Amino acid sequence: RKEVEQDPGPFNVPEGATVAFNCTYSNSASQSFFWYRQDCRKEPKLLMSVYSSGNEDGRFTAQLNRASQYISLLIRDSKLSDSATYLCVVVPSYNQGGKLIFGQGTELSVKP
Amino acid sequence: DVKVTQSSRYLVKRTGEKVFLECVQDMDHENMFWYRQDPGLGLRLIYFSYDVKMKEKGDIPEGYSVSREKKERFSLILESASTNQTSMYLCASSARGQVLSQYFGPGTRLTVT
Repeated sequence: RKEVEQDPGPFNVPEGATVAFNCTYSNSASQSFFWYRQDCRKEPKLLMSVYSSGNEDGRFTAQLNRASQYISLLIRDSKLSDSATYLCVVVPSYNQGGKLIFGQGTELSVKP
Repeated sequence: DVKVTQSSRYLVKRTGEKVFLECVQDMDHENMFWYRQDPGLGLRLIYFSYDVKMKEKGDIPEGYSVSREKKERFSLILESASTNQTSMYLCASSARGQVLSQYFGPGTRLTVT
């Protein structure tokens, strides 16, 4: 079983739609969680951290469910510019040297 | 503005060649990483380094080696390139203790023929 698993998509949604991605992780002792965004042919960039209490940044909401070992990303009022691949990232419990575990990514395509 | 640069955006090499991929960061970061990214497999960690002259194997180190002689530079070496090493290679860096702030370079798309 992979340490971090995501639905690869693609998710094709119209502008203005609400879309949610889930990500599951296998190690219950994992420390921290993040969402990165990767545009086509570009490098990944940090989108937001995921806190136990849930956190929101504008149209983006991230949540963590430790009991079920998954994190989620909700995007409201989708924009064309949201089209990208969203990477779920986990900090392992055995973390050394800042190592991160990346999911394979979920592709989002927002259409006019 | 933070900056991670990689020596080439596109590279074509022949099977058996020795290949050097260079990564330089200007943020005085202690940690540096080399990943490869393939469709359906996501980002996989090859090697990382948390200090000068220190290196640790990642998840897929076979066929690769690394060098960290200076803090700002982390090199990935393919001793004898093979076609299954055709991939996108991404370098990243982060400051000690700041796990979330991992900054990536633009990537090198390597094709081995």
